[in-house]
Amino acid sequence: RKEVEQDPGPFNVPEGATVAFNCTYSNSASQSFFWYRQDCRKEPKLLMSVYSSGNEDGRFTAQLNRASQYISLLIRDSKLSDSATYLCVVNKRNSGNTPLVFGKGTRLSVIA
Amino acid sequence: GAVVSQHPSWVICKSGTSVKIECRSLDFQATTMFWYRQFPKQSLMLMATSNEGSKATYEQGVEKDKFLINHASLTLSTLTVTSAHPEDSSFYICSATGFSSYNSPLHFGNGTRLTVT
Repeated sequence: RKEVEQDPGPFNVPEGATVAFNCTYSNSASQSFFWYRQDCRKEPKLLMSVYSSGNEDGRFTAQLNRASQYISLLIRDSKLSDSATYLCVVNKRNSGNTPLVFGKGTRLSVIA
Repeated sequence: GAVVSQHPSWVICKSGTSVKIECRSLDFQATTMFWYRQFPKQSLMLMATSNEGSKATYEQGVEKDKFLINHASLTLSTLTVTSAHPEDSSFYICSATGFSSYNSPLHFGNGTRLTVT
């Protein structure tokens, strides 16, 4: 099983749509979870951290299910500018300065 | 916010030459830096973890003699791709953190696109 698995997409949705991305991770000891956004040929940028209780930031909602080792990202009222690749990210080791493991990403295209 | 600067943004070199990529933390002291590589349509793959003043820890399958990492100060880490070959062509990205907490998100450099001809 891969360390972090995501549906690669692409997801093609109209403006205003709600879209959800899922992600599973294999390391049950992982403690930190993030969603990053990566535009074409650019570096990843942090979108939001994912907390155990779930968290929301504007149109974006992240959920974590530790029992199923599953993370989700929900985007409401999609904008054209949301078109990007969304990376599910978990920490590799459970201590100190730990590197992050990235999923392959899910590509989203929001269409006018 | 915290900024990580990576240089150069892109480089084209001939096969057999060496290329050095610099990663600097501009407004914080980076105790740890990470080097990633990304091939087209692939995920970022961790190459090595670099701690200031000590030897880098390489991930399985990454040749330490080919990818030389130096983290001599708290604000600078360098990756040297030695004797580059076309298969080394990729997007190299560094990231840095100044905190010893696994909950700290990373700050990324803008990446270096390496093309070996």
